Amino acid sequence: GAGVSQTPSNKVTEKGKYVELRCDPISGHTALYWYRQSLGQGPEFLIYFQGTGAADDSGLPNDRFFAVRPEGSVSTLKIQRTERGDSAVYLCASSARGQGDTQYFGPGTRLTVL
Amino acid sequence: AQSVSQHNHHVILSEAASLELGCNYSYGGTVNLFWYVQYPGQHLQLLLKYFSGDPLVKGIKGFEAEFIKSKFSFNLRKPSVQWSDTAEYFCAVNGNTGGFKTIFGAGTRLFVKA
Repeated sequence: GAGVSQTPSNKVTEKGKYVELRCDPISGHTALYWYRQSLGQGPEFLIYFQGTGAADDSGLPNDRFFAVRPEGSVSTLKIQRTERGDSAVYLCASSARGQGDTQYFGPGTRLTVL
Repeated sequence: AQSVSQHNHHVILSEAASLELGCNYSYGGTVNLFWYVQYPGQHLQLLLKYFSGDPLVKGIKGFEAEFIKSKFSFNLRKPSVQWSDTAEYFCAVNGNTGGFKTIFGAGTRLFVKA
């Protein structure tokens, strides 16, 4: 079946611009995660959704970052006033129910802020 | 603070050599432990996981890991590596404290010489 998909695969933007990154989880998965991975590092937790609600957003670095999942399926990560330090690969994962389940990762969106 | 430490950033082995990748974690409460693998050009995928029960966990492709609670360790092993095991390996932890974060180590890049 279809896995987790993310669009775009690459995004280049200028400092100060707004970007949206999209994640389509595996159908039926209620849990959705966003991570950020910088070069040479492991994925860094950003936010966790259970259904439509953000159950844990403690990993969002500041108020420029926001994520939504209005219908409990597709999620969008939104970054305002991008900074060069936001450049990273943004990963999305979904799991059937929650944190005890296997997380299935998407291919990521590589964000470059010039 | 919650953290995962992977001892080796780069490992080079010849085919048929034995592999052990170290992972230590700092996490209060009951833990779930994971090893994920990322093959070149592919998504992160689960190799194996530990929730409870037998501390020796067997995963795909002949990998296994042992949870040693007293040492806060979850080392990954394989008796005889193959060229196709060349990949980056990530240890991760989540559990019943610290919200819904899954915390990843920085990863170990394994290169197996044919």
